[in-house]
Amino acid sequence: ETGVTQTPRHLVMGMTNKKSLKCEQHLGHNAMYWYKQSAKKPLELMFVYSLEERVENNSVPSRFSPECPNSSHLFLHLHTLQPEDSALYLCASSHYRDSSYEQYFGPGTRLTVT
Amino acid sequence: AQTVTQSQPEMSVQEAETVTLSCTYDTSESDYYLFWYKQPPSRQMILVIRQEAYKQQNATENRFSVNFQKAAKSFSLKISDSQLGDAAMYFCAYRVDQTGANNLFFGTGTRLTVIP
Repeated sequence: ETGVTQTPRHLVMGMTNKKSLKCEQHLGHNAMYWYKQSAKKPLELMFVYSLEERVENNSVPSRFSPECPNSSHLFLHLHTLQPEDSALYLCASSHYRDSSYEQYFGPGTRLTVT
Repeated sequence: AQTVTQSQPEMSVQEAETVTLSCTYDTSESDYYLFWYKQPPSRQMILVIRQEAYKQQNATENRFSVNFQKAAKSFSLKISDSQLGDAAMYFCAYRVDQTGANNLFFGTGTRLTVIP
């Protein structure tokens, strides 16, 4: 399988549940990203990992917890979410040390918090 | 702070016609990259075209071309000979040219409808 994959594609969870989103890239990249996409708002960068180390956290609530065990995998652990967290969560990857490289996106996980 | 503005939430174009999507950005940097990404319904976001700010020549990719006006901080996308498959959300994005940080700043998007 090539490119950036995300699972699950759809997720419905209650506010007291704990779930995890998974992202995997098969492009040999060394940086991975989590974005939140809400209707009529710009994509919001949530987390950036380079060489498996978190390099940026844009003041994301602690109910979102990222994990990057290796350069090919990225997780977003979710717990006690709020209805306003319902959105499309996109994963992306790129080469980190070359700013000319584009980011490649996964298809996203559509999250609904009830 | 870097901001990207797409003032057209929705656009439509007749098949085979030409359409231009607008984008403006705000930055104090001199070296940066600009991108147009396409997000088809329920499909992955893909890069359409990229422009380096230090290049004066406008980028082109087949039916897609940009009009980059650095002084005006404007970066519009022109789609020629529109096809049904061009229907999608189009996002303009900006990134500072520096090694390390690779953060993209996105606009709110323009939804393009192609009319048969």
